[in-house]
Amino acid sequence: GIQVEQSPPDLILQEGANSTLRCNFSDSVNNLQWFHQNPWGQLINLFYIPSGTKQNGRLSATTVATERYSLLYISSSQTTDSGVYFCAVERNTGRRALTFGSGTRLQVQP
Amino acid sequence: DVKVTQSSRYLVKRTGEKVFLECVQDMDHENMFWYRQDPGLGLRLIYFSYDVKMKEKGDIPEGYSVSREKKERFSLILESASTNQTSMYLCASSTSRGGDSYEQFFGPGTRLTVL
Repeated sequence: GIQVEQSPPDLILQEGANSTLRCNFSDSVNNLQWFHQNPWGQLINLFYIPSGTKQNGRLSATTVATERYSLLYISSSQTTDSGVYFCAVERNTGRRALTFGSGTRLQVQP
Repeated sequence: DVKVTQSSRYLVKRTGEKVFLECVQDMDHENMFWYRQDPGLGLRLIYFSYDVKMKEKGDIPEGYSVSREKKERFSLILESASTNQTSMYLCASSTSRGGDSYEQFFGPGTRLTVL
């Protein structure tokens, strides 16, 4: 099956710092999503981004499908950004289900 | 806004009990999914459905079954719960209108403990 690798696995930042999270995938994909999992376990949709660049406030994401990677940028981080960030991809097989990476655990300290 | 709801946030059951986890979405989505999340193993697909009465096995279907009698509702059934089914269960839905894939939206999750 497809491999989805996220880096770094853990990240500790001071409030106000910027960060870049990376997602590499091993095969062509129909869909790529970034999620933030809050402390209660809910997966919050950040971006649906099979290709190109999108921005939403302090967050932005870029997917380069031909090179099989995606980046999530967090600028001016806040303590509320803490949690686990997941990248998930849908393979180009018509299966319609997501394969998740193992996540990046972000801790933003005041 | 898409809304996916799950019947319980927390559930405690005994070994051998039959357990029903319910998921309802309000956006007329064709596709619905059940995942489980475990520390060190990540999120894994149990079953999915792309139409009423249709179901497909995911990566870890053993010990589970599903039911989709109505488009908006997808149920996960543990026929005889076991302690290794203690986990966080997440339901999701998406549309495939026009033949394209669209983003998945997740419910709040159910933390199931089997004693």
